[in-house]
Amino acid sequence: GAGVSQSPSNKVTEKGKDVELRCDPISGHTALYWYRQRLGQGLEFLIYFQGNSAPDKSGLPSDRFSAERTGESVSTLTIQRTQQEDSAVYLCASSLPGTSGGLNTGELFFGEGSRLTVL
Amino acid sequence: SQQGEEDPQALSIQEGENATMNCSYKTSINNLQWYRQNSGRGLVHLILIRSNEREKHSGRLRVTLDTSKKSSSLLITASRAADTASYFCATVANAGNNRKLIWGLGTSLAVNP
Repeated sequence: GAGVSQSPSNKVTEKGKDVELRCDPISGHTALYWYRQRLGQGLEFLIYFQGNSAPDKSGLPSDRFSAERTGESVSTLTIQRTQQEDSAVYLCASSLPGTSGGLNTGELFFGEGSRLTVL
Repeated sequence: SQQGEEDPQALSIQEGENATMNCSYKTSINNLQWYRQNSGRGLVHLILIRSNEREKHSGRLRVTLDTSKKSSSLLITASRAADTASYFCATVANAGNNRKLIWGLGTSLAVNP
């Protein structure tokens, strides 16, 4: 597609329910990131996928959070047993492979985010 | 954890004035990037400056990088109401297996017509 697509754009759920957020990266972008952004705050890294390498899950805040990616395409972020503190905007970004020793050093292209509200 | 720190946290100026935002970081970097985020939207990449560059221009944007002070500044000249947004810096580390950008907390810019 032309850009990074995220769905749903808005999700309201009850505490304790599971939610699944979806990200379609730009075609050909091997790197994919998930971030969480609370109201008025900066970006909190959650997870990073790069091609077929093992994902960097170091930012996931608890075992209620998990993410999958099929090859170099769609990724889903799943939050189980949602809590009110999970309310935030979840941003996905993708980028081209890096050119410096395998590091991704180029710009990120962001989706518009999925706004999650847990009641 | 956040490495970058932008200042000021909030900035309010009149249309036509220049806006300057600063970013400091802690470790050696490969490059530093600036992004803009309009309210309720995703982030948009503005400009990337590499560690061996000192200054870069793009339209009304001017970015400087001082690696000795581990700091960068973003200057927006002749600001417009449409420049109202939050501005974030992000760094890519130069060593190790850091494969993710480190983000600052952002500067909220308000340009008043």
